[in-house]
Amino acid sequence: DQQVKQNSPSLSVQEGRISILNCDYTNSMFDYFLWYKKYPAEGPTFLISISSIKDKNEDGRFTVFLNKSAKHLSLHIVPSQPGDSAVYFCAASAGGGNKLTFGTGTQLKVEL
Amino acid sequence: EPEVTQTPSHQVTQMGQEVILRCVPISNHLYFYWYRQILGQKVEFLVSFYNNEISEKSEIFDDQFSVERPDGSNFTLKIRSTKLEDSAMYFCASNRGRSYNSPLHFGNGTRLTVT
Repeated sequence: DQQVKQNSPSLSVQEGRISILNCDYTNSMFDYFLWYKKYPAEGPTFLISISSIKDKNEDGRFTVFLNKSAKHLSLHIVPSQPGDSAVYFCAASAGGGNKLTFGTGTQLKVEL
Repeated sequence: EPEVTQTPSHQVTQMGQEVILRCVPISNHLYFYWYRQILGQKVEFLVSFYNNEISEKSEIFDDQFSVERPDGSNFTLKIRSTKLEDSAMYFCASNRGRSYNSPLHFGNGTRLTVT
């Protein structure tokens, strides 16, 4: 089941720079997308979401962009901070439902 | 901020034994979920529960699995006869309503190890 894909297993960025995490999906029925952050030994924590009627949503340092024609979304973190180092999961749902389909995650490391 | 709490944090069991994983969802939430993550793999949906019944389940959630809300606060996942491949991190989650307006809040998980 590869409906949601995160092709980069890891990303390393310097503190203060922009982090860009990418996610692709194949299921055209997905209409709601979320990003979760996960620290070791903790559960996923909700970060930001976007509905398919929008192409951008911003919350502080975090911005999610959605390109429906390309079935692609990205999470931008500006500026990146060491505390942002975590695994980031992209997730999607369809039809207003609560069943989330997750990607495999991208390990972000923000270096000093 | 209210949290989803899960107990135990780590459970070791022998193959064929029954285990019950426990969760206390956030108190004003109405929808409850179990997800799991096998080591190195994706977080996978198992089941959703609303109004005291299963609202959706995945093909993983077969007859060996069951869920229950035995009282007003707890939400449990029972695995009747555990198999080695059930070893995973099990996450409970809850939310108030549809995901558009109410993102899922996850607990810190129970690591289940079947030997």
